[in-house]
Amino acid sequence: EAGVAQSPRYKIIEKRQSVAFWCNPISGHATLYWYQQILGQGPKLLIQFQNNGVVDDSQLPKDRFSAERLKGVDSTLKIQPAKLEDSAVYLCASSFGTGLGTEAFFGQGTRLTVV
Amino acid sequence: AQKITQTQPGMFVQEKEAVTLDCTYDTSDPSYGLFWYKQPSSGEMIFLIYQGSYDQQNATEGRYSLNFQKARKSANLVISASQLGDSAMYFCAMREGPWNAGNMLTFGGGTRLMVKP
Repeated sequence: EAGVAQSPRYKIIEKRQSVAFWCNPISGHATLYWYQQILGQGPKLLIQFQNNGVVDDSQLPKDRFSAERLKGVDSTLKIQPAKLEDSAVYLCASSFGTGLGTEAFFGQGTRLTVV
Repeated sequence: AQKITQTQPGMFVQEKEAVTLDCTYDTSDPSYGLFWYKQPSSGEMIFLIYQGSYDQQNATEGRYSLNFQKARKSANLVISASQLGDSAMYFCAMREGPWNAGNMLTFGGGTRLMVKP
């Protein structure tokens, strides 16, 4: 079974530029998550999708971050314009559902450096 | 307020010994699930073990066991017979809420475990 695919693996941009990350979840997984993990901290949930609908985006900085999941499969996360504090690893995860015991499977992440 | 608290930023353990990583959680919901994930230096998050709030027995998976104390709201991870490959970040996470109601998965700040040869 193929895992969660993310690209790119690494990205370096200057502040005020824009950047986009792509995620392809495990086939059949209805739930997709984007997490931001700042160095030395735990992952912080940015947005959670159920199929192509948003379940929660309360921690997404909507003035600069946007995410979509067209057709309930792939997802893109965009930052425009980027700030220095956006430097982090962006993790995508997926799960079959959101039952309490449902395991989330993670991609390898995209490491973003904003200079 | 923090929903998941991991108070140990870093821990050392001697190879072949057991180690306990602490996790306390905060929820008013009677239905919740607790997870532990391992994150090696390569960055991927690896699922280790799960405990449901209504499970009567502590969860075990190989060398991993979960010391679940519901009244204290703690879900500590015990790793027996530590190996050098256990050196990694360990995260406690929680889902809370009614069954299949869009339950979010929230993580703690993590504990870095270092196994000494």
